[in-house]
Amino acid sequence: QQQVKQSPQSLIVQKGGISIINCAYENTAFDYFPWYQQFPGKGPALLIAIRPDVSEKKEGRFTISFNKSAKQFSLHIMDSQPGDSATYFCAAMDSNYQLIWGAGTKLIIKP
Amino acid sequence: DAMVIQNPRYQVTQFGKPVTLSCSQTLNHNVMYWYQQKSSQAPKLLFHYYDKDFNNEADTPDNFQSRRPNTSFCFLDIRSPGLGDAAMYLCATSRARYEQYFGPGTRLTVT
Repeated sequence: QQQVKQSPQSLIVQKGGISIINCAYENTAFDYFPWYQQFPGKGPALLIAIRPDVSEKKEGRFTISFNKSAKQFSLHIMDSQPGDSATYFCAAMDSNYQLIWGAGTKLIIKP
Repeated sequence: DAMVIQNPRYQVTQFGKPVTLSCSQTLNHNVMYWYQQKSSQAPKLLFHYYDKDFNNEADTPDNFQSRRPNTSFCFLDIRSPGLGDAAMYLCATSRARYEQYFGPGTRLTVT
């Protein structure tokens, strides 16, 4: 119940394409869903986050889509660029304010 | 710029030799976290401070200790590092327990 399942494990997208990473959860008490971007040798950086009362949030080229009934949420990166190549983690916050992390997706954008 | 700073960025220690990692923040956030991240894995929460209240995760080894002498600083002490403790150690802060901001991490090598 405390798990967040993230897929795919790795993803290769052509420059200019749309990158889509999916996450699913079971615990309906989760109430905050952030996405983090991490470059090799760096700390994770908060990219975008959503609360369950909103179905979509967009910031620049990054969009979170949230489906409360399906208990799924996804990150869409529009017009993907080589500089977007990184590992992306989804997460969910539980009732103890702890982040439950997905396993991560290694994204490679081919020029 | 307000930020989370970790020192040193790279630390090499010998098996069993105590080591201290430090974190400071200029964000004036009241919550500080220590995470351990091993290669190709998600960060794993070790403990956190909510103001001065210390919260230890149940599966954090006794070998790991922490100190928070004031709002700005937090330390991670590893009393007797083993080879399995080699990892990236990440400090993070948050104001309202939701958005967590990470430092660049300290890469610990145990020889």
